[in-house]
Amino acid sequence: AQSVSQHNHHVILSEAASLELGCNYSYGGTVNLFWYVQYPGQHLQLLLKYFSGDPLVKGIKGFEAEFIKSKFSFNLRKPSVQWSDTAEYFCAVNVVTTDSWGKLQFGAGTQVVVTP
Amino acid sequence: GAVVSQHPSWVICKSGTSVKIECRSLDFQATTMFWYRQFPKQSLMLMATSNEGSKATYEQGVEKDKFLINHASLTLSTLTVTSAHPEDSSFYICSAALKETQYFGPGTRLLVL
Repeated sequence: AQSVSQHNHHVILSEAASLELGCNYSYGGTVNLFWYVQYPGQHLQLLLKYFSGDPLVKGIKGFEAEFIKSKFSFNLRKPSVQWSDTAEYFCAVNVVTTDSWGKLQFGAGTQVVVTP
Repeated sequence: GAVVSQHPSWVICKSGTSVKIECRSLDFQATTMFWYRQFPKQSLMLMATSNEGSKATYEQGVEKDKFLINHASLTLSTLTVTSAHPEDSSFYICSAALKETQYFGPGTRLLVL
């Protein structure tokens, strides 16, 4: 079965520290990849996405992610976090087939807490 | 751009009653919308795919007669939880698709007493 794995359920780090969140998926075909963020009390917002082309994609708020096809990974990074980055982060994968257009499979999410 | 709203944001109802949740794409048209359920401290679980002008496609294990979906226009999809029971209490989230990307609504918290 297809799956999306996020390596850490909880991450606690200090302001200015670097952040890397892992995401691996199990499907070998063509995929579209997404990272969403859910700030406390708010709805899911798109951070960045990868469909094709340059495997290093830049998103909003200083986030970037790298698609490594050979590793089935799409890790999210930010060089220096701020307190306002405290949120839950979800990796999501859309397997591109004729009968599953647009359907997203989500990882379990990673709760990130940034301390002042 | 790409704003999705949901109404109501929360609802409390008695067991056995039906509840309707609306999902609207405010600044774009969406042929396809999705309905998810999110349990506390868990990820989103896709319930169904809603296509404008046609029947919804339900995921395995989701009762289509219990969770009625109507996508009557390119900006509105509704989810009706029929004969709600306490186990239906959850956080329901919709999304609307624009150019192969889903944009999410703020969610509706349903509590069935």
